[in-house]
Amino acid sequence: DIQMTQSPSSLSASVGDRITITCRASQSISSSLNWYQQRPGKAPKLLIYDASSLQHGVPSRFIGTGYGTDFTLIITSLQPEDFATYYCHQSSRTPQTFGQGTKLDIK
Amino acid sequence: EVQLVESGGGSVQPGGSLRLSCAASGFTFRNYWMSWVRQAPGKGLEWVANIKQDENERNYADSVKGRFTISGDNANNSLYLQMNSLRADDTAVYYCTRESLYGGYATWGQGALVTVSS
Repeated sequence: DIQMTQSPSSLSASVGDRITITCRASQSISSSLNWYQQRPGKAPKLLIYDASSLQHGVPSRFIGTGYGTDFTLIITSLQPEDFATYYCHQSSRTPQTFGQGTKLDIK
Repeated sequence: EVQLVESGGGSVQPGGSLRLSCAASGFTFRNYWMSWVRQAPGKGLEWVANIKQDENERNYADSVKGRFTISGDNANNSLYLQMNSLRADDTAVYYCTRESLYGGYATWGQGALVTVSS
């Protein structure tokens, strides 16, 4: 199975900050990497697919980069509604696997 | 509008069975990979199983292989997860999801809570 390692596991930041979350795959997954946002009690929401493509309706302050084994999610200028948990997900190989999550809270 | 609605969650004793259903609308069910993803209380996301109806292909996580069966009904645009020999560590919210044609799960149901406890 492909292991997905996210860092950091938690992060405190302020409105207006720029933050970066990283995700590393245990083997190459090309660009088959997706990012989700999950708010408490809600289903996850797809933000970025295929490593860098912005899902329809997602604000442009969410940016995905990377290829192979190393990926990043960047949020430029944090907004109040961005404080949530973020997950990476590889859809290259079965079983599909998720990172352990990064909880982003207000400093 | 593309929509997924789960039903069938509840409480069951260890060793028991439960069947989850997911009613799909707004798209042609058989043309997409459909998955179940679960989330234990306070924990992360875990892929459980997926199916592509028109290719009759299905896959399972090792943690549920031999106990869970994913299936679909094209006529009723519905996805199912039959869960047998349930264990305490199967306790989770189970989400029905549709895989985007370009990657990732773009559509999620609201989730169905399954609690396995004596």
